[in-house]
Amino acid sequence: NAGVTQTPKFRVLKTGQSMTLLCAQDMNHEYMYWYRQDPGMGLRLIHYSVGEGTTAKGEVPDGYNVSRLKKQNFLLGLESAAPSQTSVYFCASSPSDSSSYEQYFGPGTRLTVT
Amino acid sequence: DAKTTQPTSMDCAEGRAANLPCNHSTISGNEYVYWYRQIHSQGPQYIIHGLKNNETNEMASLIITEDRKSSTLILPHATLRDTAVYYCIVRVGPHSGYALNFGKGTSLLVTP
Repeated sequence: NAGVTQTPKFRVLKTGQSMTLLCAQDMNHEYMYWYRQDPGMGLRLIHYSVGEGTTAKGEVPDGYNVSRLKKQNFLLGLESAAPSQTSVYFCASSPSDSSSYEQYFGPGTRLTVT
Repeated sequence: DAKTTQPTSMDCAEGRAANLPCNHSTISGNEYVYWYRQIHSQGPQYIIHGLKNNETNEMASLIITEDRKSSTLILPHATLRDTAVYYCIVRVGPHSGYALNFGKGTSLLVTP
């Protein structure tokens, strides 16, 4: 199993450009999450999904949109990138088993907005 | 949601036990304590979690005080590869899809 994969690994955008980050998991997990991590900080939740076709806002959702059209994929979109969105983006997934909810993280996408 | 307090940094000699403390004095009765670690900006890695009882797995042990207001993660024989940022997290409830509420964590340096 590949676990959680993220595409791309690195990207540089100019202010105002748009892009989509792709997260894929092959563990048949119901829950998926997008976090961002700024230098020296912990991860902050952007959006999450508890199942195919459903999404919800996290702690810092402004400037981002998400879609979960297939159970294994969770897309994060930036419609008009801003320098404040320079960060490392992590995707994670977890089973819906109430005894654990252990999250599995991808390797991250490093985004720079100039 | 319960918040956690951890020391900013700690050192540990290779081969010795690393004891990482965490305070979560506002934890609710049904909230779990999770520990994750992040090695050199990789994606965080799950270590262990618990509710009331002490827990042990192949990576670490988790000791939770009887009043559940604090816990300690124990790495019994630290190696250089255990150098990482360790996050103590009280799991957010179903209103946020059981997302993890990360703080700044403890930066553990294991020295030769």
